[in-house]
Amino acid sequence: QLQLQESGPGLLKPSETLSLTCTVSGGSFSSSSYYWGWIRQPPGKGLEWIGSIHYSGSTNYNPSLKSRVTISVDTSENQFSQFSLKLSSVTAADTAMYYCVRRVVVIAAIWFDPWGQGTLVSVSS
Amino acid sequence: DIQMTQSPSSLSASVGDRVTITCRASQSISTYLNWYQQKPGKAPKLLIYSASSLLSGVPSRFSGSGSGTDFTLTISSLQPEDFATYYCQQSYSDPLTFGGGTKVEIK
Repeated sequence: QLQLQESGPGLLKPSETLSLTCTVSGGSFSSSSYYWGWIRQPPGKGLEWIGSIHYSGSTNYNPSLKSRVTISVDTSENQFSQFSLKLSSVTAADTAMYYCVRRVVVIAAIWFDPWGQGTLVSVSS
Repeated sequence: DIQMTQSPSSLSASVGDRVTITCRASQSISTYLNWYQQKPGKAPKLLIYSASSLLSGVPSRFSGSGSGTDFTLTISSLQPEDFATYYCQQSYSDPLTFGGGTKVEIK
């Protein structure tokens, strides 16, 4: 069964760069039907799609965050597949639960399944 | 961006009730609409994709319908484990966007 697990620092100061990694296990990472991405949820609020990456390296980002976001695939040769999120110049508004997800593409339909358990990132001076 | 509006934002219902949640898109999205369930402290889980296709393993009391701009999620007989927040999400165009959520609470 495919599982995703986020990891990374939970507390940042304003202006720092948020860096998170998602480890994928139990399934194929390199299928053409899958993208891998990030979604965040501020405490008590709704969901915001951040961006996605294909194993080939093709990316797409939410325009609202595009200038600050980089998503990349970890190409190191180990037994796990990983992809990463970097969000620069964070502010308190970036405080949120960050989820990594698989973005499934079937013809033109797209959905997110499964999701990682999430990791809380707080930004505070 | 396509705006997704859910109604109501919250509702109270009893076990066994039939519950309907509505999601409206700011423009036509065909059937590119998904529904997720989120329980407190947990990640969202996909329930329904492409407006009406039930994900394998999801109880048949959940159903989805609609096309164009108006969609509904129906729970035919509410069970204790169904108390959660439900989100719709459009996949018609990037950026993919979510509704604000509907919290289903115990009456």
